[in-house]
Amino acid sequence: DTTVKQNPRYKLARVGKPVNLICSQTMNHDTMYWYQKKPNQAPKLLLFYYDKILNREADTFEKFQSSRPNNSFCSLYIGSAGLEYSAMYLCASSRGWGGAHEQYFGPGTRLTVL
Amino acid sequence: GDSVTQTEGLVTLTEGLPVMLNCTYQTIYSNPFLFWYVQHLNESPRLLLKSFTDNKRTEHQGFHATLHKSSSSFHLQKSSAQLSDSALYYCALSRASSGSWQLIFGSGTQLTVMP
Repeated sequence: DTTVKQNPRYKLARVGKPVNLICSQTMNHDTMYWYQKKPNQAPKLLLFYYDKILNREADTFEKFQSSRPNNSFCSLYIGSAGLEYSAMYLCASSRGWGGAHEQYFGPGTRLTVL
Repeated sequence: GDSVTQTEGLVTLTEGLPVMLNCTYQTIYSNPFLFWYVQHLNESPRLLLKSFTDNKRTEHQGFHATLHKSSSSFHLQKSSAQLSDSALYYCALSRASSGSWQLIFGSGTQLTVMP
């Protein structure tokens, strides 16, 4: 099974409210990633977990948090949503360490902030 | 910094015609890994092709691409487009960062194949 699952698929949030997105994979992959995708833009890496080590991109460091309670699950947390957070959020995972490893993507969660 | 450029945002062509989607990249890394991911409507992006060998053609599902380090290019080609090829295509570069590897994506090319 090469499936990456994401919940929920659609999320409506109010400005200033928290948002928690969930991702899971059963492939025993070492690394899990979160990307933000806005229309007509490239998917932007927000953060990733390599095993238990969290790496966050410098420009999104304070905006997004994450946890990985076990190898299979990874969450993306927004403490206070703003209108600019409206986007598709893609979770991905990959096996092992090395530049040639394929990333497997989930279906995404479409977040709309009102 | 590292970057990937896909010059065409939208490509529309007729079934049976050849496909060529452009991809160029910039990186300080001398041995880059390049990928093409495809995303069909309402589906997740999935890997189509990957390469890290200079001047070697890689093929999958009728598509092919050759990494040319001299021109920093990894164009995606297919000899004859099919209706089912309509999708969003991303070129991506893999780079090492913070003890792991991450993908740098281009902005994507939406391919629409008409009957």
